[in-house]
Amino acid sequence: DIQMTQSPSSLSASVGDRVTITCRASQSISSYLNWYQQKPGKAPKLLIYAASSLQSGVPSRFSGSGSGTDFTLTISSLQPEDFATYYCQQSYSTLLFGPGTKVDIK
Amino acid sequence: QVQLQESGPGLVKPSQTLSLTCTVSGGSISSGGYYWSWIRQHPGKGLEWIGYIYYSGSTYYNPSLKSRVTISVDTSKNQFSLKLSSVTAADTAVYYCARGQLVTGEPIDYWGQGTLVTVSS
Repeated sequence: DIQMTQSPSSLSASVGDRVTITCRASQSISSYLNWYQQKPGKAPKLLIYAASSLQSGVPSRFSGSGSGTDFTLTISSLQPEDFATYYCQQSYSTLLFGPGTKVDIK
Repeated sequence: QVQLQESGPGLVKPSQTLSLTCTVSGGSISSGGYYWSWIRQHPGKGLEWIGYIYYSGSTYYNPSLKSRVTISVDTSKNQFSLKLSSVTAADTAVYYCARGQLVTGEPIDYWGQGTLVTVSS
């Protein structure tokens, strides 16, 4: 079975900071990796699909990279509305979400 | 604009069956190119995939829940449903229905708002 890990599990950052979140799969998942943002009490929102494709309507400060087992979500300049929890998700073999990374205010 | 809406009891007794329905609007559930999924989130925890169904009726379930889960589709009502049997307090969670796209990455692009189901006597 594929396992997903994310690091860090949480981070504190300031508005304007560059933030990088890493997701790792236990085996190659090609580019079947998606990123979601979730705010408290809300459903997740798709940010990045297929590892590096920006979902329509998502600000360009969000970007994704990677393939195989190692993936990265980058927020180039953190905005107040970006404080949330971020999940990676593989769809190479059914579906599995990573444990999440909470981004809060420093 | 596609919208998904979960409905069903918010309180279920232990050992009973949890039943939820997702009504899809703004698009046909029987059109190809999508899969229809249930995902849950325990209070304060991460996202757990329960299973999904293709428009053809093929289903795939999380192995950890497979023995208790059934997902079905009713194309005449543009709905799909979840049944989870023999529930315990550990099944208390927010349940989301969602649509996935059968494109590269197979992302989930639309989600329902989620419905809290509490298992308690």
